[in-house]
Amino acid sequence: QQQVKQSPQSLIVQKGGIPIINCAYENTAFDYFPWYQQFPGKGPALLIAIRPDVSEKKEGRFTISFNKSAKQFSLHIMDSQPGDSATYFCAARLSSARQLTFGSGTQLTVLP
Amino acid sequence: EADIYQTPRYLVIGTGKKITLECSQTMGHDKMYWYQQDPGMELHLIHYSYGVNSTEKGDLSSESTVSRIRTEHFPLTLESARPSHTSQYLCASSPGGTGDGYTFGSGTRLTVV
Repeated sequence: QQQVKQSPQSLIVQKGGIPIINCAYENTAFDYFPWYQQFPGKGPALLIAIRPDVSEKKEGRFTISFNKSAKQFSLHIMDSQPGDSATYFCAARLSSARQLTFGSGTQLTVLP
Repeated sequence: EADIYQTPRYLVIGTGKKITLECSQTMGHDKMYWYQQDPGMELHLIHYSYGVNSTEKGDLSSESTVSRIRTEHFPLTLESARPSHTSQYLCASSPGGTGDGYTFGSGTRLTVV
């Protein structure tokens, strides 16, 4: 019940495309959903986060869409650039816990 | 600048050696974590701490041990390294409360030969 399922495992898009990474969860007690971006040789860095009381959040070219009834959330990258090539992790946190549960990661490649 | 530091960045060591991976943060965060990340990308929690003198094992069984004597310092020790310990080790911290994200270090790439 604490799992977060992430898909796809890898994704290749052309520059300017809109890659979409999806995550699904079962536990309705999750109350905080961050996305992390990891470049090779670096640790993951917080990219954007959302709470379940909103359906969408935008920060620059990055948008989280949240569907509470479907228990799904997704990351959209508008006008993707080669510099966005990285591994992306979704995560979720139980309201009663103090740890994040991470998805399995998506390796994104944006071709020039 | 507030940050989280891991040393060494890379370590190649022989089987049976004792090693300590260092992690320090300057943000005053109460919570700290160690993750193991293999080339398959998944992040596996191996240890965590919610404060000084508080440590717990994570979801992934690990032969390593940790200590938390000071808020800013959370070292991980392997008493006898084995090739199966070859991996990337990531340290993270968070401030507590609700809605707090993790800050990760750059990791230590450990190779045991």
